[in-house]
Amino acid sequence: GNSVTQMEGPVTLSEEAFLTINCTYTATGYPSLFWYVQYPGEGLQLLLKATKADDKGSNKGFEATYRKETTSFHLEKGSVQVSDSAVYFCALSDRNTSGTYKYIFGTGTRLKVLA
Amino acid sequence: GAVVSQHPSWVICKSGTSVKIECRSLDFQATTMFWYRQFPKQSLMLMATSNEGSKATYEQGVEKDKFLINHASLTLSTLTVTSAHPEDSSFYICSARDPGRTGFGPGTRLTVL
Repeated sequence: GNSVTQMEGPVTLSEEAFLTINCTYTATGYPSLFWYVQYPGEGLQLLLKATKADDKGSNKGFEATYRKETTSFHLEKGSVQVSDSAVYFCALSDRNTSGTYKYIFGTGTRLKVLA
Repeated sequence: GAVVSQHPSWVICKSGTSVKIECRSLDFQATTMFWYRQFPKQSLMLMATSNEGSKATYEQGVEKDKFLINHASLTLSTLTVTSAHPEDSSFYICSARDPGRTGFGPGTRLTVL
C-alpha cells in the first residue's frame, strides 16, 4: 500500500541555518504530495504541494520538488526563523478504489529554531 | 480559506462513558469529512471517511460501533467514542474537504481515566 516516510526529529537549528527535512514515499499510482505544518495548539496548515513529477511547491521561503525517480519530496528552506518552529508533516493524496481521495501522512518532524 | 474547528479541544472522562467530538467547517461546505487519530510521535492514522448524508466508511481495524460518526450537514460532523477506555486516549483530528480545498481542525485530546 501507499506510505510516507520522513526523517525523525526533533531537528534543532540556529536562526538563519539551512533546513532540510527528508521525505520519501511509496505509491502505486500518481499521488499528489504535500507538506503540512502544525504550530503549537493549532490545526494542520497546508504549507505547499506538488501534483506531478518535477513540480516544485513553494511558500514562505520553503520549497520541495516532486522527484519521481527517487520517490522523494524533501522540504528545504535557506534560512530558518524562530517562527518556523513547528511540526512538519509530509503527506500524499491518492484515490482509493472507491474513488475517494485519502491522505497518508508521515510521522511528523518537530523543528525547533533557536535565536 | 478552509477553516475547520473542533470542540472540545481537550476532554477528560471516566472509563465507560461516551464522549462526543464536534467538527465544523466554518467558511465552506464540506462534502467529505475525515477523522484521524494521532498517537504520540506517530503519524495521523485515518479512522473513517464520511460524506454528508451517508454512512461513514471505516478503515480496516477501526470499530464502527465504538467510534460512531455522524455527518448530519455540510458543515458538521461528530465523532462519538462510546464506552471509552484508557486505550482510547489519543489526539483526534478532523478534516473537511470540498472539491477545491481541504482544512484540518486543531484536534481534540481525549484522556480516559
